[in-house]
Amino acid sequence: EPEVTQTPSHQVTQMGQEVILRCVPISNHLYFYWYRQILGQKVEFLVSFYNNEISEKSEIFDDQFSVERPDGSNFTLKIRSTKLEDSAMYFCASSTYRGNQPQHFGDGTRLSIL
Amino acid sequence: DQQVKQNSPSLSVQEGRISILNCDYTNSMFDYFLWYKKYPAEGPTFLISISSIKDKNEDGRFTVFLNKSAKHLSLHIVPSQPGDSAVYFCAASAYGSSNTGKLIFGQGTTLQVKP
Repeated sequence: EPEVTQTPSHQVTQMGQEVILRCVPISNHLYFYWYRQILGQKVEFLVSFYNNEISEKSEIFDDQFSVERPDGSNFTLKIRSTKLEDSAMYFCASSTYRGNQPQHFGDGTRLSIL
Repeated sequence: DQQVKQNSPSLSVQEGRISILNCDYTNSMFDYFLWYKKYPAEGPTFLISISSIKDKNEDGRFTVFLNKSAKHLSLHIVPSQPGDSAVYFCAASAYGSSNTGKLIFGQGTTLQVKP
């Protein structure tokens, strides 16, 4: 069964450093998402992406965050200058359609900011 | 933001019995609801979904019920198996011209199925 794959599984970064989280969505999917889950909290929406542009972003997704689909397969989340509070699990998801279709999630990247 | 709530943080059932997980929502614009299962160190795995035009959807041992008037949905697992032990998340989406498919998640319920 096709899967969403995320790399790395764990990223440790010094505060203030840039970090790039990578995702390979399911190949025939058109809609891409990033979510995060801070330890002990809910899974929170960060951003949705379709047709090479951001469709929607949450309040969390400030100027320090950016997303990109640099080629036909990868979907990346960049945090330019990481803060301690960016420590979380980051999940990538994809779906065939934006409505009434399930999103399929990767196993996440655990981001630890020191 | 408490648009989707799972009020029971945990549930313990005996193998072979029914597990019932509950979820409440407040946003009347939600029209698509999903249940995900999550094991430690893995991402959420899609289980089953329901559109607001239905009140029940069944897939094998899993059935989701939607009560729109009460803004309540539930997931029934029958019979429960030890491998079902995981965290279960309810999620909702509001379809419309401005909708981007964003999912709003509940806090999760940890299900333990005892052999």
